[in-house]
Amino acid sequence: KAGVTQTPRYLIKTRGQQVTLSCSPISGHRSVSWYQQTPGQGLQFLFEYFSETQRNKGNFPGRFSGRQFSNSRSEMNVSTLELGDSALYLCASSWEGEAYEQYFGPGTRLTVT
Amino acid sequence: AQSVTQPDIHITVSEGASLELRCNYSYGATPYLFWYVQSPGQGLQLLLKYFSGDTLVQGIKGFEAEFKRSQSSFNLRKPSVHWSDAAEYFCAVGAGDYKLSFGAGTTVTVRA
Repeated sequence: KAGVTQTPRYLIKTRGQQVTLSCSPISGHRSVSWYQQTPGQGLQFLFEYFSETQRNKGNFPGRFSGRQFSNSRSEMNVSTLELGDSALYLCASSWEGEAYEQYFGPGTRLTVT
Repeated sequence: AQSVTQPDIHITVSEGASLELRCNYSYGATPYLFWYVQSPGQGLQLLLKYFSGDTLVQGIKGFEAEFKRSQSSFNLRKPSVHWSDAAEYFCAVGAGDYKLSFGAGTTVTVRA
C-alpha cells in the first residue's frame, strides 16, 4: 500500500506570495492532519480534517488555511508569506477509528526569501 | 493542555550499547502515546504506540517502550544500537482532540 505523498517536496517563495501544498493520504484513511516543523518551535499542529470537515485547528494566524476533498486528499494554503513561514510542512493520515495513529508523509520544505 | 517533555536534547551512544530515551507527559487521563523517528530530510516514521493494556509495548526495528502511569512516563529503549539508529526521536501524545502534541525531540548519535 502506498504511503502518504506530498507535493511538491521543495518550494522557494518570496515574501508576500502565497503557496498551496498538497497531500494524498494512505488509501482508506479519512483523517488528514498538517504539522509545521521548525528548528526553533519543533513540531506544531496546524489543523486536522475528517470527511471534509475541520475538526481542530492549531494556534496559527488566519493566513494558514486548509481543506479536504471528497477523496480525502488535502491541501493547505499560506497567504502573504513571511520569512518565519520557512519550515518543513508535514502531512499525516490516519484511519477513521484510530485518529491518533498517524502516518506521515516526507514533507514539503518551504523556503521563503 | 497536554504537554510532552523529552529531557535529553542529544544522546551519544556506542554501537552495540543499549539506548534509553526519556519521555514525560502532562495530561489528566491516560493519553495515547507514540514514539516516532525522523532521519535527516525525511518525514516521521511510527516506531510504536500505546493505547491501553500491557504497559510494555514492542515496536519496529527492535525498539520497545514502557508506560508508567505513576511517573507519567513512556520511555523508549533498544538493547543494542546499530549505526542506522542515528536519527531524531520524538515522543507524542494524543489526548482526544484529533491532534498529536510532540516533544522537542532527542537526537541520537551512534559512534563506532
